[in-house]
Amino acid sequence: AQTIHQWPVAEIKAVGSPLSLGCTIKGKSSPNLYWYWQATGGTLQQLFYSITVGQVESVVQLNLSASRPKDDQFILSTEKLLLSHSGFYLCAWSPGQAFSAETLYFGSGTRLTVL
Amino acid sequence: TQTVSQSDAHVTVFEGDSVELRCNYSYGGSIYLSWYIQHHGHGLQFLLKYYSGNPVVQGVNGFEAEFSKSDSSFHLRKASVHWSDSAVYFCAVSASSAGNKLTFGIGTRVLVRP
Repeated sequence: AQTIHQWPVAEIKAVGSPLSLGCTIKGKSSPNLYWYWQATGGTLQQLFYSITVGQVESVVQLNLSASRPKDDQFILSTEKLLLSHSGFYLCAWSPGQAFSAETLYFGSGTRLTVL
Repeated sequence: TQTVSQSDAHVTVFEGDSVELRCNYSYGGSIYLSWYIQHHGHGLQFLLKYYSGNPVVQGVNGFEAEFSKSDSSFHLRKASVHWSDSAVYFCAVSASSAGNKLTFGIGTRVLVRP
């Protein structure tokens, strides 16, 4: 069975500090990977997606970057956090087939508070 | 560009009641429609999806949804809710021409009272 693990569970960071969030998928080779951001009580906004190692597509610019250093790993980062980065970050995967955005499997999320 | 709207921000029902959550979309081409559930502080879990065929699709935990092309809708239903169904429900649409982008609605928060 496939598992998805996100880390850390929660972070409290200062404005201007760096950030790195991670996500690992086990039990599935070559998945499509996604980062979503959710404001408190809000909907989900897709930030990045990746269909293969080393390739990441940006969907929306929020002064964040993403990388896929390994087939099963997706990293979200920034060098300088803004207050607006606060929220819930969700990593997700899909099977990596045509039209595979139809079904996503989400991690448990990282709650980020920027002070 | 595909869009999805959920007209009810909050729904309150009693345990054992039926519930219907509304979802309308706008897109002219081939699309996938799906529903996800999010319990407080957790990630989203897939409930069900529709692409073609029988317009009524069955999901997990007794949920079903019905696709209507004429109404541009994909409403979610459950005949008898349980307290554990209290959560936020998101409708989502993905267009084959939009690649890997799944667009979510704003969500409907369901509160099931005992």
